[in-house]
Amino acid sequence: KAGVTQTPRYLIKTRGQQVTLSCSPISGHRSVSWYQQTPGQGLQFLFEYFSETQRNKGNFPGRFSGRQFSNSRSEMNVSTLELGDSALYLCASSADMPPYEQYFGPGTRLTVT
Amino acid sequence: DAKTTQPPSMDCAEGRAANLPCNHSTISGNEYVYWYRQIHSQGPQYIIHGLKNNETNEMASLIITEDRKSSTLILPHATLRDTAVYYCIAHYPGSSNTGKLIFGQGTTLQVKP
Repeated sequence: KAGVTQTPRYLIKTRGQQVTLSCSPISGHRSVSWYQQTPGQGLQFLFEYFSETQRNKGNFPGRFSGRQFSNSRSEMNVSTLELGDSALYLCASSADMPPYEQYFGPGTRLTVT
Repeated sequence: DAKTTQPPSMDCAEGRAANLPCNHSTISGNEYVYWYRQIHSQGPQYIIHGLKNNETNEMASLIITEDRKSSTLILPHATLRDTAVYYCIAHYPGSSNTGKLIFGQGTTLQVKP
């Protein structure tokens, strides 16, 4: 099976702009989770989508949002970018059965200038 | 999810076994222990999981103490490619919590020639 794919891999944006990142899960996986990784805060959970519904949400401001499509592909959007949003954004998918292990994509490296 | 405690860093000689400890003294009965690793700038990779019994797969072995308050991940013959940050996570993958992993700081394992 193909792994989790994320596009784009690298992105440079300016403060105040918005950005959309895309994630395609492993075929058959309906759960998609998003994480932000920074040197200071480490890996932090953003949100999880399952069957087009947000099932879990982390402690991030409303500028961070996401959605999931009927084919389980997911997008996350960050509006009004701030310098502190520079990070590696990771997407992971998991199957609907135990042990629910997550498979991560390579990430999107976002730099905000 | 229960809090886990890991040493910040460890060294291991190439070809020797790497034993990575994890403390999860407040783990509840339905929480699994998952191990992931992250090689520099890549997405985390699932390694192994366990509930009560010791587990082994092609990558590693997981030893869980009888009281489940701690565990050890064993890489039997470490190679330079095993240099990574290793995360131990205690997680209950219930239907509403499946995709939400809480990562700590992990252990940076340096395998040396």
